[in-house]
Amino acid sequence: DAGVTQSPTHLIKTRGQHVTLRCSPISGHKSVSWYQQVLGQGPQFIFQYYEKEERGRGNFPDRFSARQFPNYSSELNVNALLLGDSALYLCASSSPGGEETQYFGPGTRLLVL
Amino acid sequence: QQQVKQSPQSLIVQKGGISIINCAYENTAFDYFPWYQQFPGKGPALLIAIRPDVSEKKEGRFTISFNKSAKQFSLHIMDSQPGDSATYFCAASKEGSGGSNYKLTFGKGTLLTVNP
Repeated sequence: DAGVTQSPTHLIKTRGQHVTLRCSPISGHKSVSWYQQVLGQGPQFIFQYYEKEERGRGNFPDRFSARQFPNYSSELNVNALLLGDSALYLCASSSPGGEETQYFGPGTRLLVL
Repeated sequence: QQQVKQSPQSLIVQKGGISIINCAYENTAFDYFPWYQQFPGKGPALLIAIRPDVSEKKEGRFTISFNKSAKQFSLHIMDSQPGDSATYFCAASKEGSGGSNYKLTFGKGTLLTVNP
């Protein structure tokens, strides 16, 4: 079975631009979470979506937004990019109920110049 | 405000030795404590997880020890191997709505190097 997939793998943008990152969860998983991992730090929670509804939001500005589609894939959008948005963006999927393990994708490495 | 504090920042161990990584948490509502392993260029992968109703959980060479009163938990890697060289993250979460966990709060990570 395929794991969590993310696209693109790498991305270079300039300040002020907009970026869209994509995630496909493990087949059968209905919940998707997004995390930001700055170099040398642990991942930080951005959003979680379940059944197309936002279930949680971390301490990130409104420039960050996300959505989940009927096939449970998800997009993370970041507007007005800042240099500090340079990071590895991780998507994790899970199957709510019981021991909910979050399975992470390989991430999208975003560099903002 | 760091809710999960992890130490040490880096660790060097000889092959066959025991690697020990410690974490402390502040939020007593946390009820799920996983450890993740991350290799360069990869996403974190779940190693082992524990809930507060047990004090220890072992899976192969990996053991979590949990001390609820001290709000601390640790990862022990027995017989450490060069292939274990990676960054290890502890995390914590609390049960969210609908009976499931979300919003993992991670420690800052420990870079483990196992020398041959």
